[in-house]
Order: sequence, then structure tokens, then C-alpha cells
Amino acid sequence: SQQGEEDPQALSIQEGENATMNCSYKTSINNLQWYRQNSGRGLVHLILIRSNEREKHSGRLRVTLDTSKKSSSLLITASRAADTASYFCATAGNQFYFGTGTSLTVIP
Amino acid sequence: GAGVSQSPSNKVTEKGKDVELRCDPISGHTALYWYRQSLGQGLEFLIYFQGNSAPDKSGLPSDRFSAERTGGSVSTLTIQRTQQEDSAVYLCASSSGTSGGTPIAELFFGEGSRLTVL
Repeated sequence: SQQGEEDPQALSIQEGENATMNCSYKTSINNLQWYRQNSGRGLVHLILIRSNEREKHSGRLRVTLDTSKKSSSLLITASRAADTASYFCATAGNQFYFGTGTSLTVIP
Repeated sequence: GAGVSQSPSNKVTEKGKDVELRCDPISGHTALYWYRQSLGQGLEFLIYFQGNSAPDKSGLPSDRFSAERTGGSVSTLTIQRTQQEDSAVYLCASSSGTSGGTPIAELFFGEGSRLTVL
């Protein structure tokens, strides 16, 4: 079964607003990764955060990790129409599982 | 090649036929994963190869599914006697860094093979 669960399932915002997606998981992890998927084809890696890290930044992306709550969040600041995609978290423990994804729509 | 290559990109087959899906990982990547994604769903883990170790087949949904990886490089996913519920996008990914089954580096994905079983 899949380990990660994203929330919300779908999110629609205006261009320029911030988008926040959350991921919860069940077991201990080595690291957690976020991926982006356009049009149901290949996924593209966005950011990796290790279990001993609490926050990581990459451009307009900010990821937090709370291992005590087994949760992570992805914040996209100043969103653009081109950010419209599905976003998945993936947890790396004994197995590597992807969550169910958040579908983000950024309205121009 | 520069990235992970999958073929065919699209495959339409009739129920009961066998299909083979191919994945060419990034050169030098020792870890290779197969996932399945049904329409609008998340990724379902199928199988994982790491170097010369025995593959982790724990995600294969039935004995109709099998996969092999020759020479530590190219992998083939075979589905025998296809059923309509096998219709999905099959995604392959490779990674340069793993510790056991745990990727400690990013996964690079191919564009997937879209399988439609009529």
C-alpha cells in the first residue's frame, strides 16, 4: 500500500498566491522527496529533505519536515500558471512509496 | 542517453495478449524501479532492481507480471494475458544512490508507457 497521503487532493489558486501542500506518512524514513508531474507522464524531482533536516529551500519552493508528526509540507511562493501540475511526496524508508498527489491549478 | 528512455510510448492491445515494456535507465545508475499509475491516481510500486541483487518483486499485482534486468542496464516488464484492469501508464525510474531499497538520491523518470487493453 502507498505510504504517503497528500492533502488537499486538489487546490486552485490565483497566480501570485502561495500554494501549500501537505504530506503525511506512517513509518520511519531516511528521506522524503517531492516530485512534480505534468499531464500524467514522467515525474520530475523537485527537492529532497533528509530525516535530520527540518526545512529546505530551493528557489520558490520551501519544504518542511516534522518527523515527530510524520508530516511534510511543500510551499510554492508567488505561484505562476506554469506551476499547474500534480505534486507527489515520496517517502524513502524500507520501501520507497509515493503519495496520492495534490492537483494544483494556478489561474492566470 | 541523457535520460531514462521507455518504449513503446503507447501500446494498445487486446485482452489476453502479452505485452513487453522496455526501460533504458541512465547509464551508470544501479537502481531501477517500475511503477504503475492508473488515470488520476498515485504511483503504485511494482518492482525494484539494485545492481546484481535479487529484485524486490513485492509490488507485482499477480503472477501475470514479471520483469527482468539484463546486464544491470535495460529492463523489460512483461504482462501476460493482459486484462482491462492492466490499462495504465507504466513508469520506469532509475537512481544513482540507494541504501538497500531506499533511494538516497533523486529518481529520474522516463515519460512512461501508456498501455490500453481493449
